[in-house]
Amino acid sequence: AQSVSQHNHHVILSEAASLELGCNYSYGGTVNLFWYVQYPGQHLQLLLKYFSGDPLVKGIKGFEAEFIKSKFSFNLRKPSVQWSDTAEYFCAVNAYSGGGADGLTFGKGTHLIIQP
Amino acid sequence: GAGVSQSPRYKVAKRGQDVALRCDPISGHVSLFWYQQALGQGPEFLTYFQNEAQLDKSGLPSDRFFAERPEGSVSTLKIQRTQQEDSAVYLCASRRTGGGADTQYFGPGTRLTVL
Repeated sequence: AQSVSQHNHHVILSEAASLELGCNYSYGGTVNLFWYVQYPGQHLQLLLKYFSGDPLVKGIKGFEAEFIKSKFSFNLRKPSVQWSDTAEYFCAVNAYSGGGADGLTFGKGTHLIIQP
Repeated sequence: GAGVSQSPRYKVAKRGQDVALRCDPISGHVSLFWYQQALGQGPEFLTYFQNEAQLDKSGLPSDRFFAERPEGSVSTLKIQRTQQEDSAVYLCASRRTGGGADTQYFGPGTRLTVL
C-alpha cells in the first residue's frame, strides 16, 4: 500500500522567507505526484503535479516542486512567501495503474502560517 | 465554469440515523471520487466511479457505507446507522478523464457530526 509522509505539521515563517515543505512517499513503481492547498474557508485546489518528464515542476503562485525518484521525495518550494500563502498544504500520490482507478493517498498536511 | 458542489454543507445526525450526502461533479467529468477527512488528517480515499461503474470501493470502512452514481453524473454517499467515529468531512472530487495523472477537482465537502 502507498503512504505519504509530510515531515512538518506546523510551519511558521515571516513574509519574504523561503519555504520548503518535505514530502516522501512509499511506492516502488511509477507514480503521479500532487501538491494541493487549502486556504482558510476554501476547498482543496491543485498547486502543481508531476506525472512524467522534467522532474522540476512549476505551479501556481510561484510554487515549484522537485521529484527525486531515488529519494522518493517531492518537496514543495517557494523562494519568497507572502502572507496570503497561509494555508494547509497536502502532498498526495497515486500509483500509475493505467486505468486511473486509484484514488489519491494524502499526507497528513502541513499547516503553514506566514507572519506579516 | 461551475465547480464540484456538495450538499448539505453541514449535517448533524444522532447516532443510529441514516444520512445521505450528495455530490454534483463538474459537467462531463468521467471520474468521481469520495474521500473522508478526519480532523487534523489528510483526506482518505473511500471509493471511485468511472461513469456509473463503481470500480473501486476498497476504502469504504464498513458495510454501513454505500455509494452510487446511477446515471454517471450525480453521486450519493449513504451512511447507515451512523456512529460517532463517522464524524468527519466528506469530500467529493471529479476528474475529466479516467487517467490517473489528470487533476482531481474537489468540492467544499460535507461536515458530518454524529452525536
